[in-house]
Amino acid sequence: NAGVTQTPKFQVLKTGQSMTLQCAQDMNHNSMYWYRQDPGMGLRLIYYSASEGTTDKGEVPNGYNVSRLNKREFSLRLESAAPSQTSVYFCASSRPGTGIWPQHFGDGTRLSIL
Amino acid sequence: AQTVTQSQPEMSVQEAETVTLSCTYDTSESDYYLFWYKQPPSRQMILVIRQEAYKQQNATENRFSVNFQKAAKSFSLKISDSQLGDAAMYFCAYYAGGTSYGKLTFGQGTILTVHP
Repeated sequence: NAGVTQTPKFQVLKTGQSMTLQCAQDMNHNSMYWYRQDPGMGLRLIYYSASEGTTDKGEVPNGYNVSRLNKREFSLRLESAAPSQTSVYFCASSRPGTGIWPQHFGDGTRLSIL
Repeated sequence: AQTVTQSQPEMSVQEAETVTLSCTYDTSESDYYLFWYKQPPSRQMILVIRQEAYKQQNATENRFSVNFQKAAKSFSLKISDSQLGDAAMYFCAYYAGGTSYGKLTFGQGTILTVHP
C-alpha cells in the first residue's frame, strides 16, 4: 500500500552538482507529475508525463530534465544545481479521464543547494 | 492561463469554532474541478474536498464544506468545529479537465493555526 514513493527525503548539494530525484507509484496510474513548493508560491508544475513514453513541460521547467522510465517510475534530474532550485519537490500521480481523478502525492524531497 | 489566488496567507481559529478560507480563480473554461488540499507539518498532501463545476450543490465532507460561487469564481472552504489536528497549510487547486492530463494549478496556500 505504498502509493507514491520519493527518494531521497532530504538532500544537500553544492552549486553545480547534479542530482536525480526518484519517484515510483504502484497504483497503475497513467499520469505522473513533478512539482516544486516554495514559500508564498504554492506548488508549481515542473514537468509532467501524461502517459508512459511522453513528457511535457509545466510552468517552471528551466534547469530540469525528466525521464518516464516505465509506467511506474518518473525521475527528475538537476544537471547543474543552482541555489534558486532550493525547494521541496513533490511527485504525484493520477489516472485522469472523465470525472475527477485526484492526484496522489509522495511525501516530498527537501533539497538544499549551497 | 488559469490562476488561483488565496488572499489570506495566515488564519487562526479557536478550537471548536468555525473558520472560512478563501480562494478565487480565473478561467475561461466552463467545465473544471476544484480541490482543497491540506498539508500538515509532515509535508503530506491530503485531499480534503473536491467540487465539480457543473454541480450546483456544494460539496461536504464531515466538518468540511465549500461555498462554490461559479459566477464569482470563488471557492471557499469552511471548517466547522475546528480541531487541533486541523492546523496545517491549506491549498486550493484547479483542474481544467479534458486534455489537461490531470495537471493542477495551486494557490499560494493559507496557514491555519488552531488555538486550544
